[in-house]
Amino acid sequence: DSGVTQTPKHLITATGQRVTLRCSPRSGDLSVYWYQQSLDQGLQFLIQYYNGEERAKGNILERFSAQQFPDLHSELNLSSLELGDSALYFCASSVVSLGEQFFGPGTRLTVL
Amino acid sequence: KNEVEQSPQNLTAQEGEFITINCSYSVGISALHWLQQHPGGGIVSLFMLSSGKKKHGRLIATINIQEKHSSLHITASHPRDSAVYICAVAPTSGTYKYIFGTGTRLKVLA
Repeated sequence: DSGVTQTPKHLITATGQRVTLRCSPRSGDLSVYWYQQSLDQGLQFLIQYYNGEERAKGNILERFSAQQFPDLHSELNLSSLELGDSALYFCASSVVSLGEQFFGPGTRLTVL
Repeated sequence: KNEVEQSPQNLTAQEGEFITINCSYSVGISALHWLQQHPGGGIVSLFMLSSGKKKHGRLIATINIQEKHSSLHITASHPRDSAVYICAVAPTSGTYKYIFGTGTRLKVLA
């Protein structure tokens, strides 16, 4: 158990819908990272927050947005969902930016 | 050319064999991270290192900053070591983004 929690574990929804994925970092970690992993693909970096502020952005679609709240938990919002958004979404946290990352168990999103 | 290259891409070994997975990178880094992704999808942090060598159980990671190369060794491999091993580097360029290798898929046969 890495200490990073993600909810929900599984999510099945329809095209055009909007979903919110939630991540609670390890106690004391200030950085939160979001990654997308499509079937049999590598990890694609989406976005990083550090202590509530956006620190780095990757290949995140405009339909996706994220934020980190004062209690340091983070949410990833995915809207106007398409079939191609079906993937595993991982959250990771670290004490400092680009420190050792600890990954949550992931949320498996299926868009039908 | 990718900034982080791993080799081999796929590896099949017999139980008990000594395994080496390599990671080469072309950017300046502050640290390198080895991750293990289990067949079920979970990702575990194995090592983060910026110099020298680290050991944990049957796993050993080394890094040579001058040569921009790291190796992950598994001694006395076991079928439970079957996983994808991922190398990620923390660049010093100030982009605050890890750069990931494409992973090495390891299968250890009993």
